[in-house]
Amino acid sequence: DAKTTQPPSMDCAEGRAANLPCNHSTISGNEYVYWYRQIHSQGPQYIIHGLKNNETNEMASLIITEDRKSSTLILPHATLRDTAVYYCIVRGYTGGFKTIFGAGTRLFVKA
Amino acid sequence: DVKVTQSSRYLVKRTGEKVFLECVQDMDHENMFWYRQDPGLGLRLIYFSYDVKMKEKGDIPEGYSVSREKKERFSLILESASTNQTSMYLCASKDGTRGSLGANVLTFGAGSRLTVL
Repeated sequence: DAKTTQPPSMDCAEGRAANLPCNHSTISGNEYVYWYRQIHSQGPQYIIHGLKNNETNEMASLIITEDRKSSTLILPHATLRDTAVYYCIVRGYTGGFKTIFGAGTRLFVKA
Repeated sequence: DVKVTQSSRYLVKRTGEKVFLECVQDMDHENMFWYRQDPGLGLRLIYFSYDVKMKEKGDIPEGYSVSREKKERFSLILESASTNQTSMYLCASKDGTRGSLGANVLTFGAGSRLTVL
């Protein structure tokens, strides 16, 4: 599975969009980008995933660059409850049992 | 709407005690996992199971064992707890069907924070 690089921390004002970047320059053609978040003292929670098209669900939007070497998770109107560690993970769609979580980005949403 | 339930949120045990951490999922998932999470080390895979009675070692299995007698239940066992096993333990499950939409989506429990004195 490809390695990802994320900034260690970011701040965002409440009500504004939070844009969390992820670099995955070694991604291969059959690998998807997955995003999870972990609120303090809870288990990680799946947010969204995508291959090459932009994706949107009720939680967030995922924008993947055309060359697929980077992506951005967008929380359109961040709230204080969105303060969490956000993990970007790249892995194949069908294979393997191991999901590797890196250090992620700690997002602080401030009032 | 709880899908992965871990039996205890907080436990305090003494060195040498046998510890059982229980995890139950209600999504009929084939695959179940135990991770531990420590500051600065992230999530590390201890054991996983891809079917009833089947188990595989993860990255840090030493000092742990697991049991999966029923599809919905995956237990983590610390035969003789030690202080270096003080940690947050996270159980997860995922659909094992190849090609399914959720094939690589993990659903986690709330975690069990174990302190070994």
